[in-house]
Amino acid sequence: SQQGEEDPQALSIQEGENATMNCSYKTSINNLQWYRQNSGRGLVHLILIRSNEREKHSGRLRVTLDTSKKSSSLLITASRAADTASYFCATDAGHDYKLSFGAGTTVTVRA
Amino acid sequence: EAGVTQFPSHSVIEKGQTVTLRCDPISGHDNLYWYRRVMGKEIKFLLHFVKESKQDESGMPNNRFLAERTGGTYSTLKVQPAELEDSGVYFCASSSLGQGANEKLFFGSGTQLSVL
Repeated sequence: SQQGEEDPQALSIQEGENATMNCSYKTSINNLQWYRQNSGRGLVHLILIRSNEREKHSGRLRVTLDTSKKSSSLLITASRAADTASYFCATDAGHDYKLSFGAGTTVTVRA
Repeated sequence: EAGVTQFPSHSVIEKGQTVTLRCDPISGHDNLYWYRRVMGKEIKFLLHFVKESKQDESGMPNNRFLAERTGGTYSTLKVQPAELEDSGVYFCASSSLGQGANEKLFFGSGTQLSVL
């Protein structure tokens, strides 16, 4: 069954605005990762947050993790047209080598 | 350094035909994974190789799917015979071996498979 579930499914914002998407999961995790997929390309690893961390930053990205609620959020600040992509969260349960992905959030940044 | 490459990028076949997808991982990466995304749904795990050995094939849908990684380098995923529900994007990913191997996967661009 699906482990990660992103919300919203789609998001359209104006360039310069912030974009926030959420991920909920069902079982305990070792870490949670966010990936980006531009149209026709492969998934690109953005950021990883471990289960004992609450917040992490990387450039214009900010990720939070609430293990009590089994949820994470990805914030993209000052969005650009190049941020138009699908964003996926992936959870690592830590007991095997597979990641569990959600269905993704499609972000469109309008110029 | 070359990334993960997949071939073909697109494949359109008729129901009942056979298709073979290929993945070349990043050189030196012993972990190789196959994932699939069907109809805009979640990306689902299919299987995991460590070198030439199948570590976990719990995600393979049925026995119409056969994955190989002879020699521990590139991998192939064969679907025979293909059914309509096999349509989707097949992704390959690789990572280095060792602690934290699954903390950052490198993905190929995927193969878009359409079964008509």
